[in-house]
Amino acid sequence: KNEVEQSPQNLTAQEGEFITINCSYSVGISALHWLQQHPGGGIVSLFMLSSGKKKHGRLIATINIQEKHSSLHITASHPRDSAVYICAVMGGGSEKLVFGKGTKLTVNP
Amino acid sequence: DGGITQSPKYLFRKEGQNVTLSCEQNLNHDAMYWYRQDPGQGLRLIYYSQIVNDFQKGDIAEGYSVSREKKESFPLTVTSAQKNPTAFYLCASSIQHRQGGYTFGSGTRLTVV
Repeated sequence: KNEVEQSPQNLTAQEGEFITINCSYSVGISALHWLQQHPGGGIVSLFMLSSGKKKHGRLIATINIQEKHSSLHITASHPRDSAVYICAVMGGGSEKLVFGKGTKLTVNP
Repeated sequence: DGGITQSPKYLFRKEGQNVTLSCEQNLNHDAMYWYRQDPGQGLRLIYYSQIVNDFQKGDIAEGYSVSREKKESFPLTVTSAQKNPTAFYLCASSIQHRQGGYTFGSGTRLTVV
C-alpha cells in the first residue's frame, strides 16, 4: 500500500470551476510538497508546507497535520491548469520523498 | 536562469547496451536525485547524492549506477543488468538533502528496443 494516497485519480472540470485535489498520508512528516507535471513530463514545484495554508495566485494548499491530510485548491480553473498534480511527503525520519500516484486534471474550455 | 538540464529528452537504445543520462544543474545545490516514473505509479528514487563524491542507493538502485565528480553534474547510467529499463527518468536537486524545495528537470524518456 502506497504511503501517500491521492484522490481523485482523474478529474475533469469546466473552465471557471473550483478544483480540489486531496492527499492523505500514513506517516508523520516533516514537509509535504505539491508538484505539477505537464504533458511533456517536466515537473514544477508548487508548494512545500509543513503546517497551515499557502497561497500563490489561484492556487491554495492546506495541510492538517493531525488528520494527515492536505488539499490543493485551484480557483477559477483554466485549461492551462490541465496537468498531473502530485503530492509528496518527507517523513520525519526518512531520507527520501514518498510520492503519490498523481491526479490527472483536465479543464475544458 | 538557474535550473536543471536533462539530456537528451528522448533516447532509444538496443537491449543489452549501457546508456548514460545527463543531469546538470546551475543552482549551486548540494543534493541531487534520480527518479524513475512508470505509468500509474508514483516516482521512485533510484539514487541520490548529498555532496560531491558521495551517493546512496534509493529504493530501486539495481541495474543503475551514478557518479558525482562535480557539484553540477549527476549522470545516471542504465546498465544491461536493469531488467526493465524503458521508463521516464527525472533528475532533481535541492539546496541540501531533506531541506528546502526541490527543482526538477524536464526528464528523459528512455526506450529500449
